[in-house]
Amino acid sequence: EPEVTQTPSHQVTQMGQEVILRCVPISNHLYFYWYRQILGQKVEFLVSFYNNEISEKSEIFDDQFSVERPDGSNFTLKIRSTKLEDSAMYFCASSTTANSGNTIYFGEGSWLTVV
Amino acid sequence: AQKVTQAQTEISVVEKEDVTLDCVYETRDTTYYLFWYKQPPSGELVFLIRRNSFDEQNEISGRYSWNFQKSTSSFNFTITASQVVDSAVYFCALSEGSNAGNNRKLIWGLGTSLAVNP
Repeated sequence: EPEVTQTPSHQVTQMGQEVILRCVPISNHLYFYWYRQILGQKVEFLVSFYNNEISEKSEIFDDQFSVERPDGSNFTLKIRSTKLEDSAMYFCASSTTANSGNTIYFGEGSWLTVV
Repeated sequence: AQKVTQAQTEISVVEKEDVTLDCVYETRDTTYYLFWYKQPPSGELVFLIRRNSFDEQNEISGRYSWNFQKSTSSFNFTITASQVVDSAVYFCALSEGSNAGNNRKLIWGLGTSLAVNP
């Protein structure tokens, strides 16, 4: 069964360093998302992406964050200068359409620890 | 404003017991979708079910069943004859139909942590 894959599964980085989280969405999907989950808290929407541009972003997704689809398969989330509060599980997701009834499929997550 | 409430933070049951996880939602839209996801200890989010606001039929899938009641804005999830492998955090989520097009996102509850003990 097709799945969303994410790398790395776990990354430890020093505060102030840049981090890139990578994702390979399901191949026939057109809409891509990043969500995050701080330990013990709810899952939060960060950004949605379609046709090589951001469709919507939350207030969490400030200038320190960026997304990119550098080629036909990868979808990346970059955090320019990490802060301690960026420590979280970051989930990439994809769907065939943005229709609100369409299921979003999630990857296994990338656990980011900022020290 | 949209909101999803899962009032049960943690539930602990003994194997083979039935357990119901509650989900109450708030939305102003008449068209919306509700989801349940499972997050096992390994951390991934596993899709379980999607239900649209026009379909109030209950659904059963093996040991899992869902009860959607628009009158009480609830979408509860029951596991029958629970097993240790059901131990996970279960999230209820809402997506509004008025945001069709490019701007679709899920609004999540805080999750219910289910522990099934042998």
